Amino acid sequence: NAGVTQTPKFQVLKTGQSMTLQCAQDMNHEYMSWYRQDPGMGLRLIHYSVGAGITDQGEVPNGYNVSRSTTEDFPLRLLSAAPSQTSVYFCASSYGTSVYEQYFGPGTRLTVT
Amino acid sequence: RKEVEQDPGPFNVPEGATVAFNCTYSNSASQSFFWYRQDCRKEPKLLMSVYSSGNEDGRFTAQLNRASQYISLLIRDSKLSDSATYLCVVNTGGGNKLTFGTGTQLKVEL
Repeated sequence: NAGVTQTPKFQVLKTGQSMTLQCAQDMNHEYMSWYRQDPGMGLRLIHYSVGAGITDQGEVPNGYNVSRSTTEDFPLRLLSAAPSQTSVYFCASSYGTSVYEQYFGPGTRLTVT
Repeated sequence: RKEVEQDPGPFNVPEGATVAFNCTYSNSASQSFFWYRQDCRKEPKLLMSVYSSGNEDGRFTAQLNRASQYISLLIRDSKLSDSATYLCVVNTGGGNKLTFGTGTQLKVEL
């Protein structure tokens, strides 16, 4: 099993550009989520999904969209990038619809100039 | 008040030392508690869950105090390889959300 994979590993965007961060898992996990990690802030939940077709907002959803058309994939879309979105983004998944142990992807380091 | 609070450290300890980290949480309805480990520029990984009765995994011991709303992690006989950031994590929001502390940095030195 590859576990949780994320692409790209690094990305530089200009303010106003849009892009999609990809996340996929091959463990048949129902629950998937996106976090951002900033210095001194810890990981903050952006969006999460408890199954295909179901998504919900986390703590910091503004400026991001998600969809979950399959169990395996959970892409995160930045609609119009801003410097405040410079961060490390982690995708994670877990069994069932309640969150216990989460398996994280390797992260995407995004810089917005 | 933050939902999950940790001392950021760093804790610098010699190899072989015993070190303890504490973490407090604000939501008394929290159900599940965890310690994750994060190495520099890597993803977090589950170290251990924290049970009401306390639990031990080798050199690591986790304790939960619901009355005072804190959890602790004790590391005995520290190794150089234990150097990392330790994240306190609490399951809130009806079971659908994990809230992460900012982490405590541990540096084990020769």
